Amino acid sequence: DAGITQSPRHKVTETGTPVTLRCHQTENHRYMYWYRQDPGHGLRLIHYSYGVKDTDKGEVSDGYSVSRSKTEDFLLTLESATSSQTSVYFCAISEIDDSKAFFGQGTRLTVV
Amino acid sequence: AQTVTQSQPEMSVQEAETVTLSCTYDTSESNYYLFWYKQPPSRQMILVIRQEAYKQQNATENRFSVNFQKAAKSFSLKISDSQLGDTAMYFCAFMNRDDKIIFGKGTRLHILP
Repeated sequence: DAGITQSPRHKVTETGTPVTLRCHQTENHRYMYWYRQDPGHGLRLIHYSYGVKDTDKGEVSDGYSVSRSKTEDFLLTLESATSSQTSVYFCAISEIDDSKAFFGQGTRLTVV
Repeated sequence: AQTVTQSQPEMSVQEAETVTLSCTYDTSESNYYLFWYKQPPSRQMILVIRQEAYKQQNATENRFSVNFQKAAKSFSLKISDSQLGDTAMYFCAFMNRDDKIIFGKGTRLHILP
């Protein structure tokens, strides 16, 4: 199994509070992704990174920011959490010329 | 923008039967990758099979095979001799040259004993 760890695995937070989810990889893969999974929507791309300090927006990036200061870590921040951001969040990694993604275990975030 | 469409939200088949899950996609690119991922109740995302668009031969992994029709932009998954452990959500996905991976909404598959 690819070495990807998401933390925390579960979190309950209050509306308006900042939240940071962490994705850590030990595979030295170049690409990292954040997705959210909601019933009826599948997995939707929030942000992705193609290298240290190189990131780009996905289809549902509003309300989210990311940072990647090291190859192994990709952070997803909700600056001010809202109930619509209650979801399961997945991190994934891939490498050039390998062209397949490996996923973390997911983080269930509940905003109350 | 690329899109991936799975037209079957839910399916049920008897154990040992063969089942086909449909997927269509839209892209203007000629070189890309297609995937099927399985998500069992454990929530883990598991890569089932991968197809490279420039390869005409359909990918096969044990009981799993695909029917890749590039001109029709169709990428269906066939599961032969289905097993109870195949019960899961299945996602079709597309990777473009920018390495963005786009997913369909999924098909929930139930294998009945």
